[in-house]
Amino acid sequence: EAGVTQSPTHLIKTRGQQATLRCSPISGHTSVYWYQQALGLGLQFLLWYDEGEERNRGNFPPRFSGRQFPNYSSELNVNALELEDSALYLCASSVGQQETQYFGPGTRLLVL
Amino acid sequence: SQQGEEDPQALSIQEGENATMNCSYKTSINNLQWYRQNSGRGLVHLILIRSNEREKHSGRLRVTLDTSKKSSSLLITASRAADTASYFCATGVYTGANSKLTFGKGITLSVRP
Repeated sequence: EAGVTQSPTHLIKTRGQQATLRCSPISGHTSVYWYQQALGLGLQFLLWYDEGEERNRGNFPPRFSGRQFPNYSSELNVNALELEDSALYLCASSVGQQETQYFGPGTRLLVL
Repeated sequence: SQQGEEDPQALSIQEGENATMNCSYKTSINNLQWYRQNSGRGLVHLILIRSNEREKHSGRLRVTLDTSKKSSSLLITASRAADTASYFCATGVYTGANSKLTFGKGITLSVRP
């Protein structure tokens, strides 16, 4: 069974640009979660999608947005990139809200 | 503030020794999960323990949960060099619209060969 996949592995952007990160959940999982792991800050919850709807978002500005497609894959968009957006972005999926979250390998975003 | 806080922040032990890591949290939870992360890569799930459970085992791992003290511990027995990684506890609170898993900042475990 394939695990959670994320693309691209690495992404380099300049300040003010937009970044799009993609995630494919484990087959059968309907919930997708996005986290930001910046150096020294631990994992910060960004967004939770389930059945195509945004169910919860963390304490991030509106320029962080995303969506979930009918096949349950998800996209995270970060507009007007700032230097402090440089981080590892992790996607996870689960079969249900209170169940184990399985993580992908992450996308490392560098903003110059 | 972080819901889950791990202790110690860093731990260095000799191969074959046991490693004990602790996690404390502030509010009532539905479950608590432990994860491992190697060198800034994706997280690997270790164990999920629900609020009505007190202890769970998985191979060399033993997790306890004390809801009265709002704390959990992860014990790795007979440690190996391959156990060197960062370990995170994550508390699951599922109360409608604000449901989420909140991670601590992690414990860096070094196992010396």
